[in-house]
Amino acid sequence: AQSVTQLGSHVSVSEGALVLLRCNYSSSVPPYLFWYVQYPNQGLQLLLKYTSAATLVKGINGFEAEFKKSETSFHLTKPSAHMSDAAEYFCAVSGQTSYDKVIFGPGTSLSVIP
Amino acid sequence: DVKVTQSSRYLVKRTGEKVFLECVQDMDHENMFWYRQDPGLGLRLIYFSYDVKMKEKGDIPEGYSVSREKKERFSLILESASTNQTSMYLCASSPNWARYEQYFGPGTRLTVT
Repeated sequence: AQSVTQLGSHVSVSEGALVLLRCNYSSSVPPYLFWYVQYPNQGLQLLLKYTSAATLVKGINGFEAEFKKSETSFHLTKPSAHMSDAAEYFCAVSGQTSYDKVIFGPGTSLSVIP
Repeated sequence: DVKVTQSSRYLVKRTGEKVFLECVQDMDHENMFWYRQDPGLGLRLIYFSYDVKMKEKGDIPEGYSVSREKKERFSLILESASTNQTSMYLCASSPNWARYEQYFGPGTRLTVT
């Protein structure tokens, strides 16, 4: 069975500082991995995804994530936080077939301090 | 751009009422999903559908039912609303292949009093 853990339900960073949001997964098959962002009172939108091409994936708004198979991790980073990055971030994993359910992590709330 | 719309952003219903939440997508996606989102619990899958008239139970189907009569529309039904169904409800759609992401609607915040 697949599962996703996100270390830290809440992360605070100063504006301009590095953003690091952690995601670890378990999967018995090579997974597809996703990061979504949710701004207040909105639905989720895709930040980036890993689909077995390059292990370093670049997304929107300056975010990127690196797939590390040996560590079963897919951490999200951004070199310099902006106030507009304050949001809830979800990591998700799915299997190889269209009938595999997507499993979402519990989410990490990011606060950016001016 | 893919667009997923939900019939209401905010809804207030009374205990025991039958509640319909509608979701429409305009990208001819095969898969559609209903989630509920609660603080500290993340997203939990209620039901999903991978084809017209097909439905599969998710992780928390109790107290809910769904209908998919047309490919673009997926309805969530609360047969008899209860206060513990007060939540944010999110609809999503995706193409029928695991490598594709889900596209989410804006959500419906349902309050049952």
